[in-house]
Amino acid sequence: GQQLNQSPQSMFIQEGEDVSMNCTSSSIFNTWLWYKQEPGEGPVLLIALYKAGELTSNGRLTAQFGITRKDSFLNISASIPSDVGIYFCAGLSTQGGSEKLVFGKGTKLTVNP
Amino acid sequence: NAGVMQNPRHLVRRRGQEARLRCSPMKGHSHVYWYRQLPEEGLKFMVYLQKENIIDESGMPKERFSAEFPKEGPSILRIQQVVRGDSAAYFCASSQASNQPQHFGDGTRLSIL
Repeated sequence: GQQLNQSPQSMFIQEGEDVSMNCTSSSIFNTWLWYKQEPGEGPVLLIALYKAGELTSNGRLTAQFGITRKDSFLNISASIPSDVGIYFCAGLSTQGGSEKLVFGKGTKLTVNP
Repeated sequence: NAGVMQNPRHLVRRRGQEARLRCSPMKGHSHVYWYRQLPEEGLKFMVYLQKENIIDESGMPKERFSAEFPKEGPSILRIQQVVRGDSAAYFCASSQASNQPQHFGDGTRLSIL
């Protein structure tokens, strides 16, 4: 089946640092999404990308949809303690005749004050 | 709160019992998806429903698992004769259309004794 490879698996950074994480796939996706999940909660949508090459920002977050449609990255600038959580990339797949999300395994972010 | 509502948040069952998980989508959303998450993993697609119809159940085990989204009331994910391996967090998501971003509830954590 389709898989998303997300890296790094975990990151430990100091408050104020910038963060970059990425997601690659052997399959093409027409939509990429980035979610953040905190303990005991569901994933919260951060950014949605619809066009190859698209670069979209949401506050301190910036994400890009790769031109090949097989990858995406998420950057967080000037990290703060509340950025802690697990960040998931997801591609909207049309395999099997319907649209559903395929998730990466997540990047666990720890921010030291 | 107009978000996706799931209940219960936690559910404990003994092996062989039935588990019923409920999901009320966001207002105006008629597309519902169920995902399963194991610890340290991303979410895995189970089933996609619209009102009264199962669109794609390719991710759902053939036995013991069923889902419905009736004309009135929440979507239900039903697991019969639960086994220890069913222990996981089950998340529901909803969207306005199949190609629109999915928004998630806070999940039901199912524990099997």
